Amino acid sequence: AQSVTQLGSHVSVSEGALVLLRCNYSSSVPPYLFWYVQYPNQGLQLLLKYTSAATLVKGINGFEAEFKKSETSFHLTKPSAHMSDAAEYFCAVSDRRGGADGLTFGKGTHLIIQP
Amino acid sequence: SAVISQKPSRDICQRGTSLTIQCQVDSQVTMMFWYRQQPGQSLTLIATANQGSEATYESGFVIDKFPISRPNLTFSTLTVSNMSPEDSSIYLCSGRTVTYEQYFGPGTRLTVT
Repeated sequence: AQSVTQLGSHVSVSEGALVLLRCNYSSSVPPYLFWYVQYPNQGLQLLLKYTSAATLVKGINGFEAEFKKSETSFHLTKPSAHMSDAAEYFCAVSDRRGGADGLTFGKGTHLIIQP
Repeated sequence: SAVISQKPSRDICQRGTSLTIQCQVDSQVTMMFWYRQQPGQSLTLIATANQGSEATYESGFVIDKFPISRPNLTFSTLTVSNMSPEDSSIYLCSGRTVTYEQYFGPGTRLTVT
């Protein structure tokens, strides 16, 4: 069975500093991986996805993530945090079972931006 | 990105009643799913909505409690039956495109009293 672990339920960074949100997955086959953002009282927005093309994936709002098979990781980064980045971030995995499966989500990381 | 709408956006229901949530997706979507997000928690997959046949439920979710229909490619309903306060959650519909991107509707916030 697949699973996702997000290290750190809360991450606090200063405005302008590097953002690093960690995600490790467990899957029997190389998975598809996703990062979503959820702003307060809003739905989920897809930030980026990995589907076995380039291992470094660029997403919206300046975020990117690198797939590292040897480390079973898919960490999300942004070079310079902005106050508007404050939100809940979810990592999710799909293990490609015939392409018909839904997503398994991590518990989420709440990103706090300090002025 | 795919456009996904849900209604109602929120509801307050009494214990023992049922609520049906509707989801409409655009033509980019091939697969449809239903998720639950309990207060302050992550998302959990309830089921895959299959067109014209019974939904495929995840462990811990049963058809009698969460009947799902998908009569055509772009529409699905989820019913939460015989509700109890523990069913108070946000219920989200999602649609997946051929490029494996999965988009979510705005959710239905359900409160059971």
